[in-house]
Amino acid sequence: AQKVTQAQTEISVVEKEDVTLDCVYETRDTTYYLFWYKQPPSGELVFLIRRNSFDEQNEISGRYSWNFQKSTSSFNFTITASQVVDSAVYFCALSVLSGSARQLTFGSGTQLTVLP
Amino acid sequence: ETGVTQTPRHLVMGMTNKKSLKCEQHLGHNAMYWYKQSAKKPLELMFVYSLEERVENNSVPSRFSPECPNSSHLFLHLHTLQPEDSALYLCASSQDYASGSYNEQYFGPGTRLTVT
Repeated sequence: AQKVTQAQTEISVVEKEDVTLDCVYETRDTTYYLFWYKQPPSGELVFLIRRNSFDEQNEISGRYSWNFQKSTSSFNFTITASQVVDSAVYFCALSVLSGSARQLTFGSGTQLTVLP
Repeated sequence: ETGVTQTPRHLVMGMTNKKSLKCEQHLGHNAMYWYKQSAKKPLELMFVYSLEERVENNSVPSRFSPECPNSSHLFLHLHTLQPEDSALYLCASSQDYASGSYNEQYFGPGTRLTVT
């Protein structure tokens, strides 16, 4: 069985601060994908990034960066110079093959509040 | 229309009513999903359709009945629901490859369901 743990339930920062959201996963599969999604108050989950289990290169996209550490089963997400618009719930998710379709296992989410 | 759309966005129904939620994806994907998001709980996968065949149902109560008439449309038929079924119901789609390629799921904005 798969499991994703986001230990931080809520984080509050002041605008322009850097913030890191933690994600720890568990799976016996050797081939898997990790994802981050953002859920603003409107409700729609917005896809941010996908990483596969064979690629441990860190990635940077603008103010966003991701640190994938297979040795610690972690896939952490850092927002640099946070902005009020970053306020949302962020979900980490794990995907392994289930039948012929992909099954996503989500963490419980981290509510990020960026204060002006 | 682009992406994944869901109607209605909000629904209030009594426990004896019958209603349906509709999802449509405009991305040319071949897999569609229903998720339930309750307060303080991780997203729960309810149903998966790949190539219009249901591949998972995750022990969902029979008062929820999915229908996938083609690869672009997905319905969730509701009848005799309980107050604890009140939640945000999210639809998602992805491009599924039996060969093992993993692709991200794209989500609709959800239907906020209240059962009175």
